[in-house]
Amino acid sequence: DIQMTQSPSTLSASVGDRVTITCRASQSISSRLAWYQQKPGKAPKPLIYKATSLESGVPSRFSGSESGTEFTLTISSLQPEDFATYYCQQYTDYPLSFGGGTKVGIK
Amino acid sequence: EVQLVESGGGSVQPGGSLRLSCAASGFTFSDHYMDWVRQAPGKGLEWVGRIRNKANSYSTQYAASVKGRFTISRDDSKNSLYLQINSLQTEDTAVYYCGRSGSYSHFDYWGQGTLVTVSS
Repeated sequence: DIQMTQSPSTLSASVGDRVTITCRASQSISSRLAWYQQKPGKAPKPLIYKATSLESGVPSRFSGSESGTEFTLTISSLQPEDFATYYCQQYTDYPLSFGGGTKVGIK
Repeated sequence: EVQLVESGGGSVQPGGSLRLSCAASGFTFSDHYMDWVRQAPGKGLEWVGRIRNKANSYSTQYAASVKGRFTISRDDSKNSLYLQINSLQTEDTAVYYCGRSGSYSHFDYWGQGTLVTVSS
């Protein structure tokens, strides 16, 4: 099984900050990596797919990058509506798997 | 507009059964793979299983934690996805989401979720 290790598990930031979340896969996943944003009581919302492709309608302050088995979600300038929990997910092999999540809170 | 609407959740005693449904609209349901993902209270996301489309023989895949107890099915004539859950355990307590996917594809649409509570 492919393990997805996400870090940090929590972070505190201020509006306007640049935020980086990392996800490491236990083996190659051929860029089949997605990022989701989830707010309390709501379904996850897809942000990024194929490691770097932005979902339609997602603000350009969100971006994804990859280096081998390490993947990064960056929010270039944190906005009030970005305080949420973020998950990575690999979809290259079964069982499909998610990272443990990163909760972005207000500093 | 793509919409996925889950229903069928509720409170069940351990050992009981439940059938969840997911009604799809706004897209050609029969073309797509469909998945179930669950989230225990205060916890992260856990993939439950997948059913492929007719072109791929409606084949299924399951997480090890649910294999043998959960069954995913679909009715393309009703644009509906189902999750039959048997031998419910307290650790099955979660919000269950249906999601649209494809071969080597992420979940691009999600339902709002339905809560299953297993308690005596």
